[in-house]
Amino acid sequence: AQSVSQHNHHVILSEAASLELGCNYSYGGTVNLFWYVQYPGQHLQLLLKYFSGDPLVKGIKGFEAEFIKSKFSFNLRKPSVQWSDTAEYFCAGEGYQKVTFGTGTKLQVIP
Amino acid sequence: NAGVTQTPKFQVLKTGQSMTLQCAQDMNHEYMSWYRQDPGMGLRLIHYSVGAGITDQGEVPNGYNVSRSTTEDFPLRLLSAAPSQTSVYFCASTLLSGAPYGYTFGSGTRLTVV
Repeated sequence: AQSVSQHNHHVILSEAASLELGCNYSYGGTVNLFWYVQYPGQHLQLLLKYFSGDPLVKGIKGFEAEFIKSKFSFNLRKPSVQWSDTAEYFCAGEGYQKVTFGTGTKLQVIP
Repeated sequence: NAGVTQTPKFQVLKTGQSMTLQCAQDMNHEYMSWYRQDPGMGLRLIHYSVGAGITDQGEVPNGYNVSRSTTEDFPLRLLSAAPSQTSVYFCASTLLSGAPYGYTFGSGTRLTVV
């Protein structure tokens, strides 16, 4: 069965700190991977996606993620976070016709 | 503006009542889906559709029905609401499942069953 795991449930960082959120996936075949962000009280918005090609994917708002097939990982990174990055972040994997989400990581950035 | 529109935004139901959550998109997306979001559990797929007239079950389909008579609309029906269905419901769509487009989400419906 396909699954996506996010091991960090709650992360607290100071502004300008670097961010890395972990995501591991388990799929039987080809998988497309996503990171979504949900700001308080809002719906999910796409940050970035990986389908094929360059394993280093750049998204909006300065976020990037690296697909490491050997580690089954797709970690999200940002070199310097801002207070406005406070949100919940979801990793997701798309197998055959279905998208599976991780349980989410709440990021709190302290000014 | 193009996107996914969900109505209502908030709803309170009594146990045993029925209701329909509406979802409409104007992007000519073939694929539409319904998720529920619960604290600590992420988003779980309820039902999905790969095109008009075609629907299938997701991870948590029990207690919910769907139909897809048009490309634009994908309503979610609760036939007999239960407190366990208290959640935030999101509709999402994409042009084609598996294609490199990503999914567009609606703004959600917060449902409380008392």
